[in-house]
Amino acid sequence: DAGVIQSPRHEVTEMGQEVTLRCKPISGHDYLFWYRQTMMRGLELLIYFNNNVPIDDSGMPEDRFSAKMPNASFSTLKIQPSEPRDSAVYFCASSLNPGQANYGYTFGSGTRLTVV
Amino acid sequence: GEDVEQSLFLSVREGDSSVINCTYTDSSSTYLYWYKQEPGAGLQLLTYIFSNMDMKQDQRLTVLLNKKDKHLSLRIADTQTGDSAIYFCAEFSSGTYKYIFGTGTRLKVLA
Repeated sequence: DAGVIQSPRHEVTEMGQEVTLRCKPISGHDYLFWYRQTMMRGLELLIYFNNNVPIDDSGMPEDRFSAKMPNASFSTLKIQPSEPRDSAVYFCASSLNPGQANYGYTFGSGTRLTVV
Repeated sequence: GEDVEQSLFLSVREGDSSVINCTYTDSSSTYLYWYKQEPGAGLQLLTYIFSNMDMKQDQRLTVLLNKKDKHLSLRIADTQTGDSAIYFCAEFSSGTYKYIFGTGTRLKVLA
């Protein structure tokens, strides 16, 4: 099992450009989560999906952010247009069932985004 | 509201015990977790405890839960340099069906 795979690992872009982050969850995991980590705000849940359907997007900062999950093995988080304050590490995580304690979340290695 | 708080830093000497503390506010939490984040990596599940338990031990790790005070702690016995990382506590809210993570405690182990 390769775990949760995120790409790219690092992304540097100019303000105003579109950025797309990608995530491949663990096969069979029905839940997928996007988190953002910054020094100031810690870990923030942006959005999560269950069976490819967005369930809670209340953490999405604003309309510049959008997330999709076209199938069970792929999700994207897009920022358009990007701003310097979007600079952070973005994590994707998947879970078989968060309601079962022993499953927990499996996190990807993250994408470090820098907007200059 | 839901809020999980931790102290930001902890420094211990190799071989000593480390105790990382966490307070939470959601009394309906079913499970509480500890995750470890090493530099440049994602969070890794270390251990968890059911809300109806007081203590759980797993090798060098001991989790203590005080439901009355909403206080959770993680004790690492015989701390090693490889234990240096950020440790997050998290609660699972059955109401919102999602995790709430703490702010993270950065543990530094001195050789």
